[in-house]
Amino acid sequence: AQSVTQLDSQVPVFEEAPVELRCNYSSSVSVYLFWYVQYPNQGLQLLLKYLSGSTLVKGINGFEAEFNKSQTSFHLRKPSVHISDTAEYFCAVSAPNTDKLIFGTGTRLQVFP
Amino acid sequence: DSGVTQTPKHLITATGQRVTLRCSPRSGDLSVYWYQQSLDQGLQFLIQYYNGEERAKGNILERFSAQQFPDLHSELNLSSLELGDSALYFCASSRQAGSSYEQYFGPGTRLTVT
Repeated sequence: AQSVTQLDSQVPVFEEAPVELRCNYSSSVSVYLFWYVQYPNQGLQLLLKYLSGSTLVKGINGFEAEFNKSQTSFHLRKPSVHISDTAEYFCAVSAPNTDKLIFGTGTRLQVFP
Repeated sequence: DSGVTQTPKHLITATGQRVTLRCSPRSGDLSVYWYQQSLDQGLQFLIQYYNGEERAKGNILERFSAQQFPDLHSELNLSSLELGDSALYFCASSRQAGSSYEQYFGPGTRLTVT
């Protein structure tokens, strides 16, 4: 079985500062990894995903994440955040032979002017 | 706009009642997923259908059931509702089955049980 831990429930940051949202996973098999964003009163939108290959994955809105197998991590980063990045961010994991996504508890990113 | 539509947006009902949530996937998507998002449990996978057939089951209660129709829209039926069923219910769709395919989420149906 797979599980996901998002270590920070809230991350406050000032506009134009860099940010890192942490995600660790647990699995006895190889996994696919995902980051989703949920803006207020909206559904989830895929930011980026890691299936295989290069461990540095670039996504939409200037976000990127790095897959680290030895540390079982998939941290999300952005070098300079905007007010509009204020949202809830979810890390998710899936095993290649299954369809369901297992989500972490989410990290609320709050960007201040 | 993800292309996935869900109706209704909001639903308020009493304990013991039954409700039906509806989802229309993106055009051409064969796979439909249902998720429940609550403060207690977070975001949990409930069930998946692929081209009309049930493909995967998650933490779905026996009081809940779903189906996917020939036109590929899906309905989630919740019966004997309890206060703890209050949550945001998301539908997602993907082109094919398999987690490598991006899941597109609808805006959700907010269910309040009083």
